[in-house]
Amino acid sequence: GQQVMQIPQYQHVQEGEDFTTYCNSSTTLSNIQWYKQRPGGHPVFLIQLVKSGEVKKQKRLTFQFGEAKKNSSLHITATQTTDVGTYFCAGPVGDYKLSFGAGTTVTVRA
Amino acid sequence: DTGVSQDPRHKITKRGQNVTFRCDPISEHNRLYWYRQTLGQGPEFLTYFQNEAQLEKSRLLSDRFSAERPKGSFSTLEIQRTEQGDSAMYLCASDRTGGVGGANVLTFGAGSRLTVL
Repeated sequence: GQQVMQIPQYQHVQEGEDFTTYCNSSTTLSNIQWYKQRPGGHPVFLIQLVKSGEVKKQKRLTFQFGEAKKNSSLHITATQTTDVGTYFCAGPVGDYKLSFGAGTTVTVRA
Repeated sequence: DTGVSQDPRHKITKRGQNVTFRCDPISEHNRLYWYRQTLGQGPEFLTYFQNEAQLEKSRLLSDRFSAERPKGSFSTLEIQRTEQGDSAMYLCASDRTGGVGGANVLTFGAGSRLTVL
């Protein structure tokens, strides 16, 4: 079945630095979604990418969908303490299920 | 509150006991999902309802698990004869049909955390 892998599992970042987390699927995806889960919280939708090569920005967050629609990345610039949490990518399986990666957990050093 | 509501938020039980979780989805959402999340992992699909019909049940769910969604509104997830391996966060999510590319954006509830002693 479809598997979604994320790297790295943990990302320790100095406040103000940039970092990128990556998501790879074993199959071509019709779209990819990103969710953020704060410590002790639940996953909250961030963005959905649909088109090959699509790039979307949300303030300091830049999301990209690969040309082959099998990978995606999330780049955060000038990391802040508010960026702490776990970022999940998820790809659809069939008409309604989502397959989530294991997430990248981000901690920030002030 | 127009979000997805789950109750209880926390449940501690002894092995062998039965537990039931309730989920109230966003009212205009006809699709409801249960996912399970363990520490260090992403949510894993358990089951899916479209209106009142349960259309898929994951192989992760043993016959000790049952879910219902009477009248296509709220849903319950019951676990009978709980085992320590059932300890996890049980997340409910909802959306509605008509999305892009086969999957809509999910709105998750805050989850019900189960601890089996």
